[in-house]
Amino acid sequence: DADVTQTPRNRITKTGKRIMLECSQTKGHDRMYWYRQDPGLGLQLIYYSFDVKDINKGEISDGYSVSRQAQAKFSLSLESAIPNQTALYFCATSVGGARTDTQYFGPGTRLTVL
Amino acid sequence: GQQVMQIPQYQHVQEGEDFTTYCNSSTTLSNIQWYKQRPGGHPVFLIQLVKSGEVKKQKRLTFQFGEAKKNSSLHITATQTTDVGTYFCAGPAATSGSARQLTFGSGTQLTVLP
Repeated sequence: DADVTQTPRNRITKTGKRIMLECSQTKGHDRMYWYRQDPGLGLQLIYYSFDVKDINKGEISDGYSVSRQAQAKFSLSLESAIPNQTALYFCATSVGGARTDTQYFGPGTRLTVL
Repeated sequence: GQQVMQIPQYQHVQEGEDFTTYCNSSTTLSNIQWYKQRPGGHPVFLIQLVKSGEVKKQKRLTFQFGEAKKNSSLHITATQTTDVGTYFCAGPAATSGSARQLTFGSGTQLTVLP
């Protein structure tokens, strides 16, 4: 969805490096999410934020941190990247207010940690 | 924790054949969503089912929510090459502080042979 953008789209880095993945949205949604996708494992939630002051851990938050700089921006950091963090990372947004929100995904960032 | 399982993991069909993917939750769901991810793309919302026994249709796609609200299915009639992709179901995470996270199934990857 063009309203949700992610940078970079591809990144190759080395073990131990600090990496930041950025997500921006123009949908005006309050809620933002970071997911990780590995082949055959579906989408696993890393962190989610329901507004700028509300950040929560997901099911696989170890080794990751996030920052919600504004309603429209949600960044994911890998403080010290390791090879098993090689994966496809998706940012998503939802409008809020409903019992369960439809999620709108960005195009993804393919991260390789050597 | 809550588990959402999908079968089969992979399905190859000849163009024109039907296809079905099944989603089963370890807990009762308040609703279920379906997403499609094209190869190299990102998940895109297809539909949400809320009511017990609900059936919804989108052209050749038929979505069903089980009577007990613990399972769901997606059936595609007369597959076309445009149906290629991975289909995910997703339901509200039972253990979240708010029922607004989604737990995704592992997905069914559909290949349509011309």
